[in-house]
Amino acid sequence: DSGVTQTPKHLITATGQRVTLRCSPRSGDLSVYWYQQSLDQGLQFLIQYYNGEERAKGNILERFSAQQFPDLHSELNLSSLELGDSALYFCASSGGGVNSPLHFGNGTRLTVT
Amino acid sequence: AQSVAQPEDQVNVAEGNPLTVKCTYSVSGNPYLFWYVQYPNRGLQFLLKYITGDNLVKGSYGFEAEFNKSQTSFHLKKPSALVSDSALYFCAVRDMTGSGGYQKVTFGIGTKLQVIP
Repeated sequence: DSGVTQTPKHLITATGQRVTLRCSPRSGDLSVYWYQQSLDQGLQFLIQYYNGEERAKGNILERFSAQQFPDLHSELNLSSLELGDSALYFCASSGGGVNSPLHFGNGTRLTVT
Repeated sequence: AQSVAQPEDQVNVAEGNPLTVKCTYSVSGNPYLFWYVQYPNRGLQFLLKYITGDNLVKGSYGFEAEFNKSQTSFHLKKPSALVSDSALYFCAVRDMTGSGGYQKVTFGIGTKLQVIP
């Protein structure tokens, strides 16, 4: 068990809708990362937060947004969903130091119909 | 910009034989390299890391990785493969050129390892 909790595990929704994915990092970890995994794109970095502040941005669409709250949990909001947004969304947390590996949750599988 | 390449989509190896999963990287500063494994319907699990020091890094489940600066490679190895090692393996590089918690981590496309009984 990595200590990172993601909810929900599965999400099925229709095109045009909006969903929120939630992540609770490992106790004590200040950094939270969001990744999208799809068969054709591999593991794509979306965004990173450190202690409540956005620190790095990857290939995140404008329709997507995220935030990290004072209790360090994070939410990824996906809006105006398209079929191509169907993927596994992973959250990972890290202690923040150079030696700290990422610890991944088991992901949220999003299916857009 | 940093990048990681895993040139093989799939590696097949017989049980008991040594295995190698290849990774090359490109970074502007010092490389901070990691290997992760992903089993079906699970998140990625950390295997090992290279920060500085010895070029041969030992990790979990009997895996090790060889860092080669001149070839910019960080290949994952195991002396004797097990069927249970069959999984998806990812190489990753951490960007430490920023400050204040900026730490983009870039993953390779992944290599599927199939260990044949």
